[in-house]
Amino acid sequence: GAVVSQHPSWVICKSGTSVKIECRSLDFQATTMFWYRQFPKQSLMLMATSNEGSKATYEQGVEKDKFLINHASLTLSTLTVTSAHPEDSSFYICSATGGSGGTEAFFGQGTRLTVV
Amino acid sequence: GQNIDQPTEMTATEGAIVQINCTYQTSGFNGLFWYQQHAGEAPTFLSYNVLDGLEEKGRFSSFLSRSKGYSYLLLKELQMKDSASYLCAVSMNRDDKIIFGKGTRLHILP
Repeated sequence: GAVVSQHPSWVICKSGTSVKIECRSLDFQATTMFWYRQFPKQSLMLMATSNEGSKATYEQGVEKDKFLINHASLTLSTLTVTSAHPEDSSFYICSATGGSGGTEAFFGQGTRLTVV
Repeated sequence: GQNIDQPTEMTATEGAIVQINCTYQTSGFNGLFWYQQHAGEAPTFLSYNVLDGLEEKGRFSSFLSRSKGYSYLLLKELQMKDSASYLCAVSMNRDDKIIFGKGTRLHILP
């Protein structure tokens, strides 16, 4: 199956700093990438949808100025958590569509963010 | 609004069969996914149903009824490693957006 690589797998940062998470499709062109957040023992909550070369579409309640998404190419999307606070600590997962599986979404490994 | 319902937790015995149900009401529907997720890991793909009916894939089968907004995941010959969360997710027309249910935590007893 198609491979999506997400980096870093975990990060600890100080409150007030910014963190960038990368999501790369390694063997296919990802026309659409999704960013999810998952709190402990809860399901994945969609944060935003990004298409290459256009602005991301954010879900209701997600601050677009705080969670900056850039989808500069068909193989790379980045999520930057700006001015992170402890309540932003969560598991962030990207997924991408556009591989040979049709509309199947392929997930990155996830990033565990801890803000101290 | 979008609504995807599935039971929060289920318990079954090793070697048995378990059925996890999912009902949905969404504005737009392309198809329905089932994913398995072990704690601390990303979800892994199990199945994708577009048309009504049952699709079998080894020990796992998935059923869809579009008219009823209903799906189930059937797991046979349960193994301890099947202990995980099972996520029902709907692919919607707009942007192929995928919305997840809250997940069902399945506990397997020896």
